[in-house]
Amino acid sequence: ELKVEQNPLFLSMQEGKNYTIYCNYSTTSDRLYWYRQDPGKSLESLFVLLSNGAVKQEGRLMASLDTKARLSTLHITAAVHDLSATYFCAVDIRGGGADGLTFGKGTHLIIQP
Amino acid sequence: GAGVSQTPSNKVTEKGKYVELRCDPISGHTALYWYRQSLGQGPEFLIYFQGTGAADDSGLPNDRFFAVRPEGSVSTLKIQRTERGDSAVYLCASSYTGAGEQFFGPGTRLTVL
Repeated sequence: ELKVEQNPLFLSMQEGKNYTIYCNYSTTSDRLYWYRQDPGKSLESLFVLLSNGAVKQEGRLMASLDTKARLSTLHITAAVHDLSATYFCAVDIRGGGADGLTFGKGTHLIIQP
Repeated sequence: GAGVSQTPSNKVTEKGKYVELRCDPISGHTALYWYRQSLGQGPEFLIYFQGTGAADDSGLPNDRFFAVRPEGSVSTLKIQRTERGDSAVYLCASSYTGAGEQFFGPGTRLTVL
């Protein structure tokens, strides 16, 4: 059974600081997804990482994928309050790309002014 | 263009009743997914359609749950003899081919009293 673990599950940080969210998964997969969810809202796609060593950046967020270590990171640079949300990583159930996703439990991020 | 839409946005029903939840995917997307999300958890995969057929229904929890997509576009998730434990947000997602980024709808919040 595929397991996806995120660390930490809760994070409170101050504006201007840097931090990293980690996502470990238990089976071989070349595809990893990061989503953002605001309270009471649906999921917004942030990044799709499709190969080992993939790195993508959007604004203050940068995601990377190491398929050999089965690890993805989401790095936040100089955090701002608007980035407060829950962040999920997800992996294809069978690693083939055309499957449902298995999600982590999410990282609830609060950024305080 | 229009995103994934789901109706109703909220559904309150009594234990033992039958409910139908509807998903209208992004036009042209051949793959459609159903997930459910309980409070404080990540989405849990239920079923995946490629065109009209269910390519993977391994996430359906039991035979009370059934989904159809008769014309390869709109899908309906059907739950018979609802139980209080079925209360959750049911999310629908679609993707262009099934091997790529999934776009989520706003969800249907189901409450079983």
